[in-house]
Amino acid sequence: DIQMTQSPSSLSASVGDRVTITCRASQSISSYLNWYQQKPGKAPKLLIYAASSLQSGVPSRFSGGGSGTDFTLTISGLQPEDFASYYCQQSYSTPRTFGQGTKLEIK
Amino acid sequence: EVQLVESGGGLVQPGGSLRLSCAASGFTFSSYWMSWVRQAPGKGLEWVANIKQDGSEKYYVDSVKGRFTISRDNARNSLYLQMNSLRAEDTAVYYCARTEYSSSWGDYYYYMDVWGKGTTVTVSS
Repeated sequence: DIQMTQSPSSLSASVGDRVTITCRASQSISSYLNWYQQKPGKAPKLLIYAASSLQSGVPSRFSGGGSGTDFTLTISGLQPEDFASYYCQQSYSTPRTFGQGTKLEIK
Repeated sequence: EVQLVESGGGLVQPGGSLRLSCAASGFTFSSYWMSWVRQAPGKGLEWVANIKQDGSEKYYVDSVKGRFTISRDNARNSLYLQMNSLRAEDTAVYYCARTEYSSSWGDYYYYMDVWGKGTTVTVSS
């Protein structure tokens, strides 16, 4: 199975900040990488697919990058509604493993 | 409106069984792979299983193989997860999700773009 490791596990930031979350795969997964946002008590929401493609309706302050084993999710200009947990997930092979998550908190 | 609604969760004793359902509406259900994802209390997301459009291919995470069965009824626009031999570690919110794809240069990039609100399964004596 492909292991996905996110860093950091938690992050404190302020409104307006630019933050980057990293996801590393245990083997090369090309661009088969998705990012999801989840707020407490809610279902996950797709943000980015295929490493860098922005899902329809997602604000352009979210961007994804990387390929192979190293990926990033960047939020430029944090908004109050962005404080949530974020998960990467690989779709290169089954099982479709997720990273352990990054909790983004208000500083 | 594109929607997924899960049902069938509840409290079950260890070793027991439960069948989850997911009702789809607002899209052509038979055209999509479908998935189940779970989240244990206070933990991260765990992909559980997925099923091809016609049910001919099914995949599972190792921890549920031989105990859980994913199935679908395209005539009823419904996805199911039959869970047998339940264990305490199966306690979680279970989400169903539509699996979409984009293609580029012959590669197919799959992602879960529509999610239900989840149904809670608690395995406890």
